[in-house]
Amino acid sequence: QSALTQPASVSGSPGQSIAISCTGTGSDVGSYNLVSWYQQHPGKAPKVIIYEVNKRPSGVSDRFSGSKSGNTASLTIAGLQAEDEADYYCCSCADSNTLVFGGGTKLTVL
Amino acid sequence: QVQLQESGPGLVKPSETLSLTCTVSGYSITTYYWSWIRQPPGKGLEWIGYIYYSGSTYYNPSLKSRVTISVDTSKNQFSLKLTSVTAADTAVYYCARIYSERWLPYFFDFWGQGTLVTVPS
Repeated sequence: QSALTQPASVSGSPGQSIAISCTGTGSDVGSYNLVSWYQQHPGKAPKVIIYEVNKRPSGVSDRFSGSKSGNTASLTIAGLQAEDEADYYCCSCADSNTLVFGGGTKLTVL
Repeated sequence: QVQLQESGPGLVKPSETLSLTCTVSGYSITTYYWSWIRQPPGKGLEWIGYIYYSGSTYYNPSLKSRVTISVDTSKNQFSLKLTSVTAADTAVYYCARIYSERWLPYFFDFWGQGTLVTVPS
């Protein structure tokens, strides 16, 4: 079971949109519509921002959206704000009811 | 509101067993799955395993030989044991609830604050 592949870092200016990819295999992302995304600020526990590929929990800004194509899922953040600067992790259900995280992406708001 | 709180030693000697407990409040542990996740300093998240109140467990294959997760429904707690620890097991350990449907793990919806466990080299 290998970690899902995410870019180590992405950056954008306030107001811009960015996308973070999360690439897995046919044994995880490609087989299950159970991809979730987590936002983690320094020293804090992760917080779910997207689940089931493209659903947002109550209270999460609609600037966050998710999608999936084949073995790759994506998180898009529109209208970047300074408070979006954080680490982002994808996670997928995988075969045998296991779970696998991505390596994480550090978002810098310039 | 669901709250989770990790507890246990912050320092474990090499080759010994790491033991942590997660106390759940505001929700019965007899529904959904309950999980452990860890994060080495400056690194990413790693799923360790999860348990259902009946005792069914699922583990990360890379840790399976060293991990045991158990549940105590009378105390609304679940626990982690990780044997033969090394410095590589130094991490913040989180407990979390997994929202589930049709026996599949959907996503982590509630998290504890995390607890740092250090294994000196």
